[in-house]
Amino acid sequence: GAGVSQSPSNKVTEKGKDVELRCDPISGHTALYWYRQSLGQGLEFLIYFQGNSAPDKSGLPSDRFSAERTGGSVSTLTIQRTQQEDSAVYLCASSLNPGTDTQYFGPGTRLTVL
Amino acid sequence: TQLLEQSPQFLSIQEGENLTVYCNSSSVFSSLQWYRQEPGEGPVLLVTVVTGGEVKKLKRLTFQFGDARKDSSLHITAAQPGDTGLYLCAGAPGTYKYIFGTGTRLKVLA
Repeated sequence: GAGVSQSPSNKVTEKGKDVELRCDPISGHTALYWYRQSLGQGLEFLIYFQGNSAPDKSGLPSDRFSAERTGGSVSTLTIQRTQQEDSAVYLCASSLNPGTDTQYFGPGTRLTVL
Repeated sequence: TQLLEQSPQFLSIQEGENLTVYCNSSSVFSSLQWYRQEPGEGPVLLVTVVTGGEVKKLKRLTFQFGDARKDSSLHITAAQPGDTGLYLCAGAPGTYKYIFGTGTRLKVLA
């Protein structure tokens, strides 16, 4: 497709389980960002990729959170041993180049931890 | 910690009214963006402002970047129900990352 896609759109899991969230950026976009949005509020930066490298992981809340990007394309955000406070919408965005190029957002994955 | 505070947090107005949303910080930003987000979707970029004092217009929307590049405002003239959504400002303190504001949820009643 032409836009950023994310899967699954919704994920319900039990506390303590691991989850993987996937992001397919726009083809050719070198920069990829992950954000977290709680209760329709502002976005919290998690991690930024330039190609397959992650120069800035400063927003990851704990060592239970990790992310990787392969082939300069698809990215996966993994949350281990999920907690109820991890419940949120996880948004992915890509841009042609890092910096102030327009970020195009996916529809997000709504994660609910019971 | 760099914070972007938006006000008001919630706004419910009648169709045809004017409104202004504010985005304030104590930090200086190299650029600032405004987004609109609708339920179940990701934010969509409305505008980017980069110069202190810059004013940009997008139909009924007017965006202004403060002279000191620490604040911004979004003014909507003659609001319509289609303007309903969550408005987010985002400031770039450096070269690649944007810090997002707390959001303003707007509801325009027909």
